[in-house]
Amino acid sequence: DQQVKQNSPSLSVQEGRISILNCDYTNSMFDYFLWYKKYPAEGPTFLISISSIKDKNEDGRFTVFLNKSAKHLSLHIVPSQPGDSAVYFCAASVHNAGNMLTFGGGTRLMVKP
Amino acid sequence: KAGVTQTPRYLIKTRGQQVTLSCSPISGHRSVSWYQQTPGQGLQFLFEYFSETQRNKGNFPGRFSGRQFSNSRSEMNVSTLELGDSALYLCASSLEYGDGYGYTFGSGTRLTVV
Repeated sequence: DQQVKQNSPSLSVQEGRISILNCDYTNSMFDYFLWYKKYPAEGPTFLISISSIKDKNEDGRFTVFLNKSAKHLSLHIVPSQPGDSAVYFCAASVHNAGNMLTFGGGTRLMVKP
Repeated sequence: KAGVTQTPRYLIKTRGQQVTLSCSPISGHRSVSWYQQTPGQGLQFLFEYFSETQRNKGNFPGRFSGRQFSNSRSEMNVSTLELGDSALYLCASSLEYGDGYGYTFGSGTRLTVV
């Protein structure tokens, strides 16, 4: 049972446009959500996170939106840059259950110059 | 400051052998977690250690084990290797238990079982 899903395995956008990456979850116990960026042969790098008490969090070009009723979160990157090309993972955790993260399958983002 | 260090970076083993992977967390970080990444299953949680105690364990067979030392360094061991154990094994550290937003990953150990 996949508790965190990223239904789009890949996404291609033009440089300067908005990239929107989506993530759905099924476990209502999740109360903290994170996005990671990963390049081949490297570990994931933390991008941005959001607590379930919020519905939006911004950090520079990155904004994460959380819709608890729909159990859906999205990552917006504006404007997209070629250096953003990577695999993006969303992850979820239960705050009092330690550091165990449940990851989605990832979305490969390609930003074309 | 130095990041999370995993050794070795690459490893080739034969079916039936055992392997030990090492992780040195960021200085001051006391929680260490391990993940397995495969093309088919994605990133899956293996286990988490804090203060030399296993705090959480993922859904993996008993062939996968780990430990944490008093200096917070951690090792994971896989016995009786199977072809399906070929994966990128990632270690992540954070300051405290439950401090998930402070996670920093290492670059991983690429294990190939032949």
